[in-house]
Amino acid sequence: KNQVEQSPQSLIILEGKNCTLQCNYTVSPFSNLRWYKQDTGRGPVSLTIMTFSENTKSNGRYTATLDADTKQSSLHITASQLSDSASYICVVSDRGSTLGRLYFGRGTQLTVWP
Amino acid sequence: EADIYQTPRYLVIGTGKKITLECSQTMGHDKMYWYQQDPGMELHLIHYSYGVNSTEKGDLSSESTVSRIRTEHFPLTLESARPSHTSQYLCASTGLGLAGTGELFFGEGSRLTVL
Repeated sequence: KNQVEQSPQSLIILEGKNCTLQCNYTVSPFSNLRWYKQDTGRGPVSLTIMTFSENTKSNGRYTATLDADTKQSSLHITASQLSDSASYICVVSDRGSTLGRLYFGRGTQLTVWP
Repeated sequence: EADIYQTPRYLVIGTGKKITLECSQTMGHDKMYWYQQDPGMELHLIHYSYGVNSTEKGDLSSESTVSRIRTEHFPLTLESARPSHTSQYLCASTGLGLAGTGELFFGEGSRLTVL
């Protein structure tokens, strides 16, 4: 069964600290992995997209890694800011069809305290 | 910045009412999607469209219906709302297939509460 599991479910850190969010998946055949940031009451916004051949991708203070062999990804946030408080969602796409389909994790709720 | 818009952002209605959630995008995307999201849960696909006059049901069974008469417009309708329909509804679009690295853009969502 194709699944995406994220950990931790929630995380509280102090402003300025770093943190790492985890994503494990069983989606096969794998096509790409996406990380989204979703502010409360808003729609998700894309942070990174990685294909099978990419093992790291950065977007400002966000760095995503991918290990396609172990089917794991992480999102590292550097020097956290209050505005980083949000849900971070891991999404994996398969390539069972040319148009693909997405499998969503439940997200990690990050709270950054001053 | 994504050019995809949803209205209304918030809606509180009584049981039995008919509602339509609007979704429009100005990016010329063929592929559009409706997702349902409950607090702390993953997004579930309820409808999708790959072009004008093309609509399909998603993975999550839904009593809602959709139409795609124009490329830019993908409204979702509930003929008779019930409290079980209370949820956040997210519209999304992409110009490329999701098996590639096509960016999927989301609207801001419509929060529906049925009393």
